[in-house]
Amino acid sequence: DAGITQSPRYKITETGRQVTLMCHQTWSHSYMFWYRQDLGHGLRLIYYSAAADITDKGEVPDGYVVSRSKTENFPLTLESATRSQTSVYFCASSEPRDRVDEQYFGPGTRLTVT
Amino acid sequence: AQSVTQLDSQVPVFEEAPVELRCNYSSSVSVYLFWYVQYPNQGLQLLLKYLSGSTLVKSINGFEAEFNKSQTSFHLRKPSVHISDTAEYFCAVTKKGYQKVTFGTGTKLQVIP
Repeated sequence: DAGITQSPRYKITETGRQVTLMCHQTWSHSYMFWYRQDLGHGLRLIYYSAAADITDKGEVPDGYVVSRSKTENFPLTLESATRSQTSVYFCASSEPRDRVDEQYFGPGTRLTVT
Repeated sequence: AQSVTQLDSQVPVFEEAPVELRCNYSSSVSVYLFWYVQYPNQGLQLLLKYLSGSTLVKSINGFEAEFNKSQTSFHLRKPSVHISDTAEYFCAVTKKGYQKVTFGTGTKLQVIP
C-alpha cells in the first residue's frame, strides 16, 4: 500500500514488557517522526530521524528507543512499558524538497499498558 | 524556542454558523504556520499552511486562516460550518528551513445539527 502505515493499530501489553511499534512509508521521505497524543497535551515529539542511521531526541524521549536502518522504516520500541506510556502513537514523514515542511501522518497505534 | 497556544479546547457551534478557532504562537525567528485536522480515529492531515506571500491562506473546503505577524496569530475561520467539519484542529509552527514542528494542544470543533 502506498503512503504511511503503522502496525499494530491496537496493542495491549503489561507493565514491564517490551513492545515495538512499526512505521513504514513508501515515499522515500528523508524525515520521519514519532509523536504521542494525550488528552490536554496535543502531540508531543518523541524522536525523529533526518535520514537512515540519523536519529535525534524530541520533547519526551525517556523510555523509548528508535532505529532507522532503512529509509522506509522507523520502529519505536518501549523497552519496559509503563502505564504512563498508555497513549496513541503517530508516525509521520516529510520531505523538504517536495512540500516544504508538510508532515504526512499514519493512522496511529493505540497502546494500552496494564 | 517556539510555542503554540490554542486557548479553546472545545468549540461547539451550530451548523451553518461561522466559527473561529484561535491560535497564537511565539517565536523569535521567521516561521511557517500550519493547521492540521484530525477526524475521529484517524491521523492528522494538513488543512492549510502559511509559508510566505499573501497572509490569507485558504483550504479547498472553505476554511481560511490569516497570518498576523504583529499579533503573532494564525486564527482559523469558516463562514458556515457543516456537520462533516466536526473534528479536532491543531495549529502548528516551525522555523523556516526546520523540519521539527511544534503542535498546539488542539481544539475540538463540535458542529451541532
